[in-house]
Amino acid sequence: QQQVKQSPQSLIVQKGGISIINCAYENTAFDYFPWYQQFPGKGPALLIAIRPDVSEKKEGRFTISFNKSAKQFSLHIMDSQPGDSATYFCAASLGGSQGNLIFGKGTKLSVKP
Amino acid sequence: SAVISQKPSRDICQRGTSLTIQCQVDSQVTMMFWYRQQPGQSLTLIATANQGSEATYESGFVIDKFPISRPNLTFSTLTVSNMSPEDSSIYLCSVEDLGGQYFGPGTRLTVT
Repeated sequence: QQQVKQSPQSLIVQKGGISIINCAYENTAFDYFPWYQQFPGKGPALLIAIRPDVSEKKEGRFTISFNKSAKQFSLHIMDSQPGDSATYFCAASLGGSQGNLIFGKGTKLSVKP
Repeated sequence: SAVISQKPSRDICQRGTSLTIQCQVDSQVTMMFWYRQQPGQSLTLIATANQGSEATYESGFVIDKFPISRPNLTFSTLTVSNMSPEDSSIYLCSVEDLGGQYFGPGTRLTVT
């Protein structure tokens, strides 16, 4: 019930394309769903987050789509750039941003020039 | 958002020794968290550290192995005690600030 399942494990996208990473959860009490970007040797950086009362949130080239009935959420990276090449983690928590984050296993994104 | 620093950035330690990792934040925050990221893996919460109270540990993590201090609203330490090679990981602190949870750069620990 506490798991967050992330797919795919790795993703290769051409420059300018759309990168899509998916996550699924079981615990319907989760109330906060952030996405993090991590470069090698760095800590995870908060990209964008959504709460379950919203179906979509967009910040620049990054969009979260949230499907409460399906218990799924996804990250879309529009116009993907080589600089977006990193590992992306979805997460979920109880208690909003103050809660303990349960992380997915991560997706390694490579954007080819 | 809060700016977080950690010391040391990396260390190589002998089996059986202990290492204390420091986490410093540039603003006062109520909630601080310590996570572990094993090589090539995801992040797992070790404990939550709030100022003025005992740290709350997640299942599989115990205070004797990972004692935590939180003396004020800008600082915390995590000690990895009696280390074994299985403790080789990246240790990250995070804070809740402005509606998000933000991570420090991490401490890369190798135990030989």
